[in-house]
Amino acid sequence: QVQLVQSGAEVKKPGASVKVSCKASGYTFTSYGISWVRQAPGQGLEWMGWISAYNGNTNYAQKLQGRVTMTTDTSTSTAYMELRSLRSDDTAVYYCARVPARYNWNEVDYWGQGTLVTVSS
Amino acid sequence: DIVMTQTPLSSPVTLGQPASISCRSSQSLVHSDGNTYLSWLQQRPGQPPRLLIYKISNRFSGVPDRFSGSGAGTDFTLKISRVEAEDVGVYYCMQATQFPPTFGQGTKVEIK
Repeated sequence: QVQLVQSGAEVKKPGASVKVSCKASGYTFTSYGISWVRQAPGQGLEWMGWISAYNGNTNYAQKLQGRVTMTTDTSTSTAYMELRSLRSDDTAVYYCARVPARYNWNEVDYWGQGTLVTVSS
Repeated sequence: DIVMTQTPLSSPVTLGQPASISCRSSQSLVHSDGNTYLSWLQQRPGQPPRLLIYKISNRFSGVPDRFSGSGAGTDFTLKISRVEAEDVGVYYCMQATQFPPTFGQGTKVEIK
């Protein structure tokens, strides 16, 4: 069965960086993509970006351009999301979600369990 | 960015009764490839989102048939034919026709 298992909760200081991992299993990793979505406490969902596990192509939300990098390691079927220059309003649960296509970001299906990132001095 | 507007924001429902959630987009969600990338997600308390419906009306694997989606263009609806206790949570519509994908504000379904 398809599973996306994310890394554990993180506490970071303002200005630091965080790297969240998302390990996939139960499917051929390189035939799909991964999107990242975050949810601030008590708030709705915000799409952050997408990476093709097939060719490494990425698309990032404009507001995060320059601060976010998404990568994959096909040898371990793991996707990563790094966010730099953290601010207090980056405090959120970060989710990875599978994109059922190689070349585009137009859908998501299975979701990871989420990783809480807390930014606090 | 496309704005997704859901109504109502809260829906108290009696067990066994139907529920309906509306989602309206600020622009047509018909993609140049002919598909309409409108999905519905369920988020139970303390859980990650779960895909229910994709491309307007297609139920995802394992989703009970009491959930159905309909609509076209800019107006879409999620219906639950008979609400069960496990349906409590927040429901989001999501468009991924135009970059960037965007979500509705969420509709909280609770039992009366």
